[in-house]
Amino acid sequence: DAKTTQPPSMDCAEGRAANLPCNHSTISGNEYVYWYRQIHSQGPQYIIHGLKNNETNEMASLIITEDRKSSTLILPHATLRDTAVYYCIVGPPMDSNYQLIWGAGTKLIIKP
Amino acid sequence: DVKVTQSSRYLVKRTGEKVFLECVQDMDHENMFWYRQDPGLGLRLIYFSYDVKMKEKGDIPEGYSVSREKKERFSLILESASTNQTSMYLCASVGGLEWGTGELFFGEGSRLTVL
Repeated sequence: DAKTTQPPSMDCAEGRAANLPCNHSTISGNEYVYWYRQIHSQGPQYIIHGLKNNETNEMASLIITEDRKSSTLILPHATLRDTAVYYCIVGPPMDSNYQLIWGAGTKLIIKP
Repeated sequence: DVKVTQSSRYLVKRTGEKVFLECVQDMDHENMFWYRQDPGLGLRLIYFSYDVKMKEKGDIPEGYSVSREKKERFSLILESASTNQTSMYLCASVGGLEWGTGELFFGEGSRLTVL
């Protein structure tokens, strides 16, 4: 079973920040939080990952709570092209076993 | 840009046929993976390979085999296709400079229908 809990769907207005929550209360000390997204009919695309510090890249920001039991992915200015299923995954460092366990994700719909 | 190319986007096969799904990556990655994706079940790992001629079973290897004769190519084989293998199949790779970054590179997927 997936180690994360995400809402099945969310809406966001175009141009606004999209905040996608993820609960991972059983995360262990060496496990990272990874975020991917999958646009319809395409393969998943990596967004960002983090261990305990907040992270930011050109696509998004990742905020991880101090106890590491939850996190939020922030798309600062959502566009229609951000409509996709977003997956929050908890797993080992990517230089070890790659058996990431994927859940059902959050279907994010960006509305004009 | 890293490119992972899957040979067919859509295939329709009959029960009992042998099916080959091909995946090629152009970034000299050591590690390659085959997943299947079904509604409500997320991505499930079938097999992965961390080097030429090496393979490891994932969570659901039954009914599948793989081949990695060259570093850039990882093939998924359904010896005798069955209707419950109707699914989206996704290939991924990682290695080299991307190792340790958290980023798996995926192909666009192959949607297989078995009648």
